Amino acid sequence: QQQVKQSPQSLIVQKGGISIINCAYENTAFDYFPWYQQFPGKGPALLIAIRPDVSEKKEGRFTISFNKSAKQFSLHIMDSQPGDSATYFCAASRNNAGNMLTFGGGTRLMVKP
Amino acid sequence: SQTIHQWPATLVQPVGSPLSLECTVEGTSNPNLYWYRQAAGRGLQLLFYSVGIGQISSEVPQNLSASRPQDRQFILSSKKLLLSDSGFYLCAWTEPLLMNTEAFFGQGTRLTVV
Repeated sequence: QQQVKQSPQSLIVQKGGISIINCAYENTAFDYFPWYQQFPGKGPALLIAIRPDVSEKKEGRFTISFNKSAKQFSLHIMDSQPGDSATYFCAASRNNAGNMLTFGGGTRLMVKP
Repeated sequence: SQTIHQWPATLVQPVGSPLSLECTVEGTSNPNLYWYRQAAGRGLQLLFYSVGIGQISSEVPQNLSASRPQDRQFILSSKKLLLSDSGFYLCAWTEPLLMNTEAFFGQGTRLTVV
């Protein structure tokens, strides 16, 4: 059962453009929604995270938008750069489940110079 | 500061051979520990997690097993590897007493079963 669905699977964006990755979840008990960035051959690293009590969180060029009623959240990368080329994973967890993360399927982003 | 070590980085094993991947965490006590597998071009699948020594929960029935012989050591094993066990294996840890906390991943092990 895939509890977190992520789209698109791959994304090509021109340098300076906006990258948008979407995720939808099913379990309303989830209460933490992080995004992880993974470069080839490396482990994922936390990029930005949001809790459901806010609708948006921004850190530099990265913004999470969260729609609790629709059970959807998205990552926006403004002014995308070639160095942003990586695989991005959305995830969700609930605190009473040992902080276990349920990941989306990943989006491979390529930013063309 | 906390660090996580995972080895080996790459491994090529024949079908039917045993497997042992090791993960250790430094700089913290009683971490929650996790093993994930990432198939080529796919997402991260949680295989096992542990909240303490000797406490292992399996998320997916399979050919693999996990053990936690020490507080900060997590081992992924198999008695006989299958071709389908190929993938990128990642160990991760989280602070047990913090709500919705960041997961820290190791550098991963690329396993190819031939």
